[in-house]
Amino acid sequence: DQQVKQNSPSLSVQEGRISILNCDYTNSMFDYFLWYKKYPAEGPTFLISISSIKDKNEDGRFTVFLNKSAKHLSLHIVPSQPGDSAVYFCAALLSGTYKYIFGTGTRLKVLA
Amino acid sequence: DSGVTQTPKHLITATGQRVTLRCSPRSGDLSVYWYQQSLDQGLQFLIQYYNGEERAKGNILERFSAQQFPDLHSELNLSSLELGDSALYFCASSKTGELFFGEGSRLTVL
Repeated sequence: DQQVKQNSPSLSVQEGRISILNCDYTNSMFDYFLWYKKYPAEGPTFLISISSIKDKNEDGRFTVFLNKSAKHLSLHIVPSQPGDSAVYFCAALLSGTYKYIFGTGTRLKVLA
Repeated sequence: DSGVTQTPKHLITATGQRVTLRCSPRSGDLSVYWYQQSLDQGLQFLIQYYNGEERAKGNILERFSAQQFPDLHSELNLSSLELGDSALYFCASSKTGELFFGEGSRLTVL
């Protein structure tokens, strides 16, 4: 049972445009959400996070939006750069536990 | 560099064998997590330790075991290996909130 879903395996965007990566979750007991970026042959690196008490968090070119009623979060990258080309994972922390559940990832390709 | 060190980076072994993967967390981090990433799959949570004690368990097979030592490094032991155990195994450490991942150990079972 995949509790955190990234339904788009891949996404291509032109350089300078906005990249929107989506993530859906099924468990209402998740209370903290994170996005990670992964380059080939490297471990995932933390990008940005959001608590369930917020609906938006920004860090430079990266913004995460959380819609709790829809159990949906998204990562916006503006403007997209070729160096952003990577696999992006969303993750959710189960409240009261130490379990971080990851999605299957979306491969972003930013075209120059 | 995340500060999390994993060894070995690559490992090739045969079915039925046993291997040990090692992880050194970031300085000061008490929590260690183990994840498995199979081909085209997400990161599957295996197990988490905090200061030497098991805190959370995920989809870890009975053939797999882990421990965290007093110096906070952790080992993941995989035994009676099967072809399907071929995967990337990631270790992550945490102090608060975010996980910091190592570069992973790629296990190939032939």
